[in-house]
Amino acid sequence: GNSVTQMEGPVTLSEEAFLTINCTYTATGYPSLFWYVQYPGEGLQLLLKATKADDKGSNKGFEATYRKETTSFHLEKGSVQVSDSAVYFCARETDSWGKFQFGAGTQVVVTP
Amino acid sequence: DVKVTQSSRYLVKRTGEKVFLECVQDMDHENMFWYRQDPGLGLRLIYFSYDVKMKEKGDIPEGYSVSREKKERFSLILESASTNQTSMYLCASGSNTEAFFGQGTRLTVV
Repeated sequence: GNSVTQMEGPVTLSEEAFLTINCTYTATGYPSLFWYVQYPGEGLQLLLKATKADDKGSNKGFEATYRKETTSFHLEKGSVQVSDSAVYFCARETDSWGKFQFGAGTQVVVTP
Repeated sequence: DVKVTQSSRYLVKRTGEKVFLECVQDMDHENMFWYRQDPGLGLRLIYFSYDVKMKEKGDIPEGYSVSREKKERFSLILESASTNQTSMYLCASGSNTEAFFGQGTRLTVV
């Protein structure tokens, strides 16, 4: 069936390191894709999104490109900060009602 | 600033109790959702509503019901709480292209 798969965490990095979190999806058609971030003790916030193939979403130094050939939407940041420590969720839209299917989440820990 | 507000951050309830989780949004969205979040499982959709008095089952509706009497309010009801319903519950409202989340309610059933 349709699914969203992202790499398991936790991912531990030093400050200023390069971050990649892999996300792949299966779906019929080309759904909109999202990255959400959850900081400790809070709900989810939209980080970035892409609505069609080859679109690049970007926000707060994070980027992700919608790759239909590899059905992927990997999240990247060139230089992470301690404040980027959070859980990151990849998600895809499932239908026109605004429903989403989420990956399991990847915890990122950035140390000084 | 858009806002989705959940009535409680933390709740502790006893097995067999009836539990109400309330959610209010101020964005005039038609769509509202209840998810539960568990480690290693991500977010799983319990119920959603796309209009007042309308509701649809999500992926894991067993043991839950919902109520949407007004557009801005979407309630999740645990008819008889059980320990396997201990979890983080997240409410969301949204359009067709984005969902906005509340801060979550961490429910512990003892």
